[in-house]
Amino acid sequence: EAGVTQFPSHSVIEKGQTVTLRCDPISGHDNLYWYRRVMGKEIKFLLHFVKESKQDESGMPNNRFLAERTGGTYSTLKVQPAELEDSGVYFCASSQGTSYNEQFFGPGTRLTVL
Amino acid sequence: SQQGEEDPQALSIQEGENATMNCSYKTSINNLQWYRQNSGRGLVHLILIRSNEREKHSGRLRVTLDTSKKSSSLLITASRAADTASYFCATSLNYGGATNKLIFGTGTLLAVQP
Repeated sequence: EAGVTQFPSHSVIEKGQTVTLRCDPISGHDNLYWYRRVMGKEIKFLLHFVKESKQDESGMPNNRFLAERTGGTYSTLKVQPAELEDSGVYFCASSQGTSYNEQFFGPGTRLTVL
Repeated sequence: SQQGEEDPQALSIQEGENATMNCSYKTSINNLQWYRQNSGRGLVHLILIRSNEREKHSGRLRVTLDTSKKSSSLLITASRAADTASYFCATSLNYGGATNKLIFGTGTLLAVQP
């Protein structure tokens, strides 16, 4: 069974540009999460989808971040315009069934904003 | 405030020795999960222990949970060089919500010397 995949693995962009990260969860997992780890800090929750609906987006830092999950399958996280402090590793995770189950993480996308 | 704090921050041991990492948290939880991250890679789920469990085993891993002390420990027995990684605890809060956002600790960097 394929795990959670994320694309791209690395992205280097200039401040002010737009970047879109993609996450493909494990097939059949209704729950999809986005997290990020900025340099030197802990991994922090961004938001949670149940199928195509946003269940909790309390961790989204500001309105420059937009997450979508059309059709309840893959998800995208767009940063527009990117700022220097957005640099970090963005992780996606998915889980099945009730939300209180194991979350399986993807390899992450390392974003560098110059 | 940070939910999970881990100690030690870094641990260096010889191959074959046991490694113990501790995690403390602040609020009532639904479950606690341990993850491993090898350098530059994604998070690998190791084990989940629910709030009504006190101990759980998986291969060379042993996890304990003491909800009265709001703490957990991860024991890796007979360590191997391949166990070298960062280890994170992550708590799922018990507040009756429908989401399961994980709150991560800062992690313990384990180095196993061959």
